Amino acid sequence: DIQMTHSPSSLSASVGDRVTITCRASQGISNSLAWYQQKPGKAPKLLLYAASRLESGVPSRFSGSGSGTDYTLTISSLQPEDFATYYCQQYYSTPWTFGQGTKVEI
Amino acid sequence: EVQLVESGGGWVQPGRSLRLSCTASGFTFGDYVMSWVRQAPGKGLEWVGFIRSKAYGGTTEYAASVRGRITISRDDSESIAYLQMNSLKTEDTAVYYCTRATYSFTYYFDYWGQGTLVTVSS
Repeated sequence: DIQMTHSPSSLSASVGDRVTITCRASQGISNSLAWYQQKPGKAPKLLLYAASRLESGVPSRFSGSGSGTDYTLTISSLQPEDFATYYCQQYYSTPWTFGQGTKVEI
Repeated sequence: EVQLVESGGGWVQPGRSLRLSCTASGFTFGDYVMSWVRQAPGKGLEWVGFIRSKAYGGTTEYAASVRGRITISRDDSESIAYLQMNSLKTEDTAVYYCTRATYSFTYYFDYWGQGTLVTVSS
């Protein structure tokens, strides 16, 4: 199974900060990666797919990059509504594994 | 508008069975891979399994943690996906989400249901 590891597990930030979350796969996943945002008590929401493609309706302050085993999610200017937990997930091979998540807090 | 609505959750004793349903609307259900993801209280997301469309054989894949105890099926005529869970364990306690998997460069879950809570306890 491909293991997905987030870094950091949590972070504290302020409105307006640039935030970067990293997800490392235990083997190469050829950009077969999606990022989700989850707020308490809510279903996850798709942000990006294929590592860097922005889902329709998602603000452009969210961006993704990476290749091989290392991928990043960047929020260019953190907004109040962005405080949430973020998950990566690989679709390169089954089982489709999630990372453990990164909680973005004030 | 795409909607996924789960039902069938609740409290169940260890060793018993439960079937969850996911009723879909707003898209051609039969064209899509449908998947289940769960989240134990206070924990992260765990992929449970999926079922391919009939065009790709309607075959299934499952996570190792549930393989042999769960079956995912679909009724394309009713736009419903099912998650049959047998021999339930306390560690199966979680919110279960139904998701639609779309393929564009890679698979991803573009729509999620609101989730249904399954509590396994004596």
